[in-house]
Amino acid sequence: GQNIDQPTEMTATEGAIVQINCTYQTSGFNGLFWYQQHAGEAPTFLSYNVLDGLEEKGRFSSFLSRSKGYSYLLLKELQMKDSASYLCAVRDRNTDKLIFGTGTRLQVFP
Amino acid sequence: SAVISQKPSRDICQRGTSLTIQCQVDSQVTMMFWYRQQPGQSLTLIATANQGSEATYESGFVIDKFPISRPNLTFSTLTVSNMSPEDSSIYLCSALTTASSYEQYFGPGTRLTVT
Repeated sequence: GQNIDQPTEMTATEGAIVQINCTYQTSGFNGLFWYQQHAGEAPTFLSYNVLDGLEEKGRFSSFLSRSKGYSYLLLKELQMKDSASYLCAVRDRNTDKLIFGTGTRLQVFP
Repeated sequence: SAVISQKPSRDICQRGTSLTIQCQVDSQVTMMFWYRQQPGQSLTLIATANQGSEATYESGFVIDKFPISRPNLTFSTLTVSNMSPEDSSIYLCSALTTASSYEQYFGPGTRLTVT
């Protein structure tokens, strides 16, 4: 089975940096994904890690440690529009299913 | 990238009735999935829609309640049967395409309210 944990809510200030952590336990790992979801909208893909290390894409970076079952999403130079839910998800190697964590609701304040 | 459309975008239904949600993908699809997202919650996988065979359901979801069809590679339907207020949720279609082996795309969702 799979178990994916994230903090439920976080707050941060415009211009700051925030790190959203995700821990997971899975029977067959084939990649960790981060999605952003604004209220009332579909999730949109942010990042994908399958090997250990840091993947950087503009203001967003994602890190993975497979041995620790741990990932984080780092958001720099926060903007008001970054207020959204951030969903950590793990793909099962055997079935290709993408299983989501509980999601972290981020609120950015001026 | 792939564009996924869903119909209807929202509906209000009476208890005991059924609703069929349609999902169409504009690209070559390898796999299709249906998720449910209850208010304020994350996404829960209902089933994997298999072309030409019965869908593969996750624990807690059964074919009698959520029959799924996938008559071709790019189209699928999910029916929510004999609805109750507990079925009020957003239902999202999702797909993996041949263009990207890892990026999974999501439709805009169908917001269902059962009264």
